[in-house]
Amino acid sequence: GENVEQHPSTLSVQEGDSAVIKCTYSDSASNYFPWYKQELGKRPQLIIDIRSNVGEKKDQRIAVTLNKTAKHFSLHITETQPEDSAVYFCAAMEGNGATNKLIFGTGTLLAVQP
Amino acid sequence: DAGVTQSPTHLIKTRGQHVTLRCSPISGHKSVSWYQQVLGQGPQFIFQYYEKEERGRGNFPDRFSARQFPNYSSELNVNALLLGDSALYLCASHGIRQGSIFGSGTQLSVL
Repeated sequence: GENVEQHPSTLSVQEGDSAVIKCTYSDSASNYFPWYKQELGKRPQLIIDIRSNVGEKKDQRIAVTLNKTAKHFSLHITETQPEDSAVYFCAAMEGNGATNKLIFGTGTLLAVQP
Repeated sequence: DAGVTQSPTHLIKTRGQHVTLRCSPISGHKSVSWYQQVLGQGPQFIFQYYEKEERGRGNFPDRFSARQFPNYSSELNVNALLLGDSALYLCASHGIRQGSIFGSGTQLSVL
C-alpha cells in the first residue's frame, strides 16, 4: 500500500521568508496529492492540490510541485505571515481508483515568527 | 466547505460503551469517508461509502462499523470502546472538483 513521508517535522521561519515542506510517496499509481492546513483544535483545511498530469500549481502565495519520476511533491509558501502558523499535512490518494482513500504524512508544524 | 456537518462536536464515554457519530456531506456529494486523528498524528482512513455501499476499509478492528443512508449522510459506530479510541473523528465529503473536504470532527474522549 501507499506510504507517505513528510519532512521536516517542525519548521520555524521569520515573517516574510519562504517555507518549503517536502513529501515522498511510494505508490507510483497514486495520482492526486492534496495539502491540508490544520490549526490547533480545528479541522484539516484543503489549501491546494495537484494531480499527476501537471508538475506545478500556484494559488497566490502557495505553490505545489510534483516530480512523478522521483515520487516526491513539495509545498512552497512565500512571504509567510504569522497566520500561516499551523500544522501542514501532505497526502496521497491510493492509486487503485476504487476509493478516495488518502494516506497522510506525519505533519509539519510551521511557526512564523513576527 | 462549511457544508460538511458532524455531530456531536464532543463526546465523553467510558470503556466498554458504544458510540455513534454522524456526518452530513456537502449537498450534491454522494461519497463520505471517515478518518481517525490521534493527537499529534495525521488522519488515518477508516471507511469510505459511496451510494450506500462500502468502497474501502482501513486497518481498524471489527468494533468499527459504518453505514450510509439514502440522503448520503453517514454514521460511524464504535463498540466496546477502549482508551485508545480517544481521538478526533473526521468525516470527509468527496467531490470531483472540490477534492476531499473535512468536517469539524467529533472529539471523542474515552475514560
